[in-house]
Amino acid sequence: GENVEQHPSTLSVQEGDSAVIKCTYSDSASNYFPWYKQELGKRPQLIIDIRSNVGEKKDQRIAVTLNKTAKHFSLHITETQPEDSAVYFCAASIGGYQKVTFGIGTKLQVIP
Amino acid sequence: DAGVTQSPTHLIKTRGQHVTLRCSPISGHKSVSWYQQVLGQGPQFIFQYYEKEERGRGNFPDRFSARQFPNYSSELNVNALLLGDSALYLCASSSTGGDEQFFGPGTRLTVL
Repeated sequence: GENVEQHPSTLSVQEGDSAVIKCTYSDSASNYFPWYKQELGKRPQLIIDIRSNVGEKKDQRIAVTLNKTAKHFSLHITETQPEDSAVYFCAASIGGYQKVTFGIGTKLQVIP
Repeated sequence: DAGVTQSPTHLIKTRGQHVTLRCSPISGHKSVSWYQQVLGQGPQFIFQYYEKEERGRGNFPDRFSARQFPNYSSELNVNALLLGDSALYLCASSSTGGDEQFFGPGTRLTVL
């Protein structure tokens, strides 16, 4: 089955700096890669996703890149703000099948 | 428009008991997935249902079962509860053939 590895497990950045979270996946059939943000005590919320026919996607301060050859994808947050502090999960799935495999999560702390 | 709803919010059970968790998807969504999230980890896939048929099953014992009703709501049942079943149980819904999942607030199950 699919295995998703995520690092770092914790990340502290100064407000205004950039944050990068990296993930690798094992199943070359995976073609959908969502990223979720989970604040303490709340549900995971989709913040951005990318499909395997696209190498990069951007939404304001958030961007995701995908390298299918290396089976590697990354989340980039620029100009971080204190409200970006949360746990971020990467995930992978085969489109049309909803078995989404999650990474272990990255706890991001943005220091004001 | 209402999001995914789950009930109950919290539940305390003792070892050996049985529990039923409920989920109502977003209106128009026909797919429901169940996840178990242990503290400090990413969600683990349990089941996915689409149009009342089981589409996928994760690596969980037969004590876990689920079903989907004609109105697309779903139940997750866990028999013979163990201490290790204590977790946040998340339900997520998605539209027909869609990859984007929307999570409910979860049910926090504590097994004593």
